[in-house]
Amino acid sequence: KNQVEQSPQSLIILEGKNCTLQCNYTVSPFSNLRWYKQDTGRGPVSLTIMTFSENTKSNGRYTATLDADTKQSSLHITASQLSDSASYICVVSARDKIIFGKGTRLHILP
Amino acid sequence: GAVVSQHPSWVICKSGTSVKIECRSLDFQATTMFWYRQFPKQSLMLMATSNEGSKATYEQGVEKDKFLINHASLTLSTLTVTSAHPEDSSFYICSARDRVPSSLDEQFFGPGTRLTVL
Repeated sequence: KNQVEQSPQSLIILEGKNCTLQCNYTVSPFSNLRWYKQDTGRGPVSLTIMTFSENTKSNGRYTATLDADTKQSSLHITASQLSDSASYICVVSARDKIIFGKGTRLHILP
Repeated sequence: GAVVSQHPSWVICKSGTSVKIECRSLDFQATTMFWYRQFPKQSLMLMATSNEGSKATYEQGVEKDKFLINHASLTLSTLTVTSAHPEDSSFYICSARDRVPSSLDEQFFGPGTRLTVL
């Protein structure tokens, strides 16, 4: 069964700290994996997209990693800011399907 | 970058009325658009896939007669919630896939429409 599981479900950290969000998937055949940021009441915004051959991709303070062998991905946020408070969604594409994780809700405290 | 807009951004309606939500790709042509529904603190749930010039494909459990989808042009898809009821209150999000294929097959999301049915 195609599934995308994210952890933790929610996370609270202090402003300026780093954090790492996890995504495990059982999707086949794998096409690509994306991380989205969704602010409350807004649509998702793409952060990174990785294909099978890519291990790491960065977008500013966001760095995503992908291990296609273990089917795991992580999103690392460096020097967090208050504006990073949002839900982060891992999305994995198979040939004809797109499977969404339930997201990690990140709260940044001042 | 690719931009997708939705209109309206929020709508409040009485139970039993119909509501139309528009999804537009502003700077690219989209042969395929997707409609999602998201309840509070839940993930996006795909409702239907809309292909330009053909009938939409609905996910299991989504009533096609209640959620009417029209994709009449390469830049516009509409979702009409017919005879809306309070349980239809949700956040509706569309996404669009560029007509020009790429290896990334990326979807671009709209900002969402908040529907509240009284």
